[in-house]
Amino acid sequence: DAKTTQPNSMESNEEEPVHLPCNHSTISGTDYIHWYRQLPSQGPEYVIHGLTSNVNNRMASLAIAEDRKSSTLILHRATLRDAAVYYCILSVSTGANNLFFGTGTRLTVIP
Amino acid sequence: NAGVTQTPKFQVLKTGQSMTLQCAQDMNHEYMSWYRQDPGMGLRLIHYSVGAGITDQGEVPNGYNVSRSTTEDFPLRLLSAAPSQTSVYFCASRHPGNSGNTIYFGEGSWLTVV
Repeated sequence: DAKTTQPNSMESNEEEPVHLPCNHSTISGTDYIHWYRQLPSQGPEYVIHGLTSNVNNRMASLAIAEDRKSSTLILHRATLRDAAVYYCILSVSTGANNLFFGTGTRLTVIP
Repeated sequence: NAGVTQTPKFQVLKTGQSMTLQCAQDMNHEYMSWYRQDPGMGLRLIHYSVGAGITDQGEVPNGYNVSRSTTEDFPLRLLSAAPSQTSVYFCASRHPGNSGNTIYFGEGSWLTVV
């Protein structure tokens, strides 16, 4: 199974940018990089995904290394509502395209 | 558009009892799956289905059965509940065929087996 490695926890001050790193050295050429987040007592929520190029949406930006072995989720201005567990996931391009979750990074936002 | 709907939200079972967690989606997604999440852990895949009549096992299938008679519904059955199955269960769906497709999750079902 494609694996990802993330720090267990990170802290950020409110209204400052946050860079959440992820290593995925076993990624294959057609695997997508997905980021989901999970607020307390809720199901995971889609944040962003990409294949090779950097991606932007209304929630965040995704910066993908040129060799695709790592990526960084960027929250441009952290708010208290961004406090959650963030999961970096590889969506394998074979079989049923299942998602395999690690333990994620718990982001704490300090007011 | 309700998305992915799970019922019940909370359930307490006695050891050995059986029950079914219901999952329905209204997005015409062919792919559906069940995950469990234990405290402090990420989600682990139990079973999945790529279309009506087709199911397969994930990482932790033991103690669970599934069936997929329609595109919309994907129930998860616990035949003889055990305390080790105390967990939060999430149902998910997506369009298949492209690993870039977004997956949508239900709100979760909290199950306690005593």
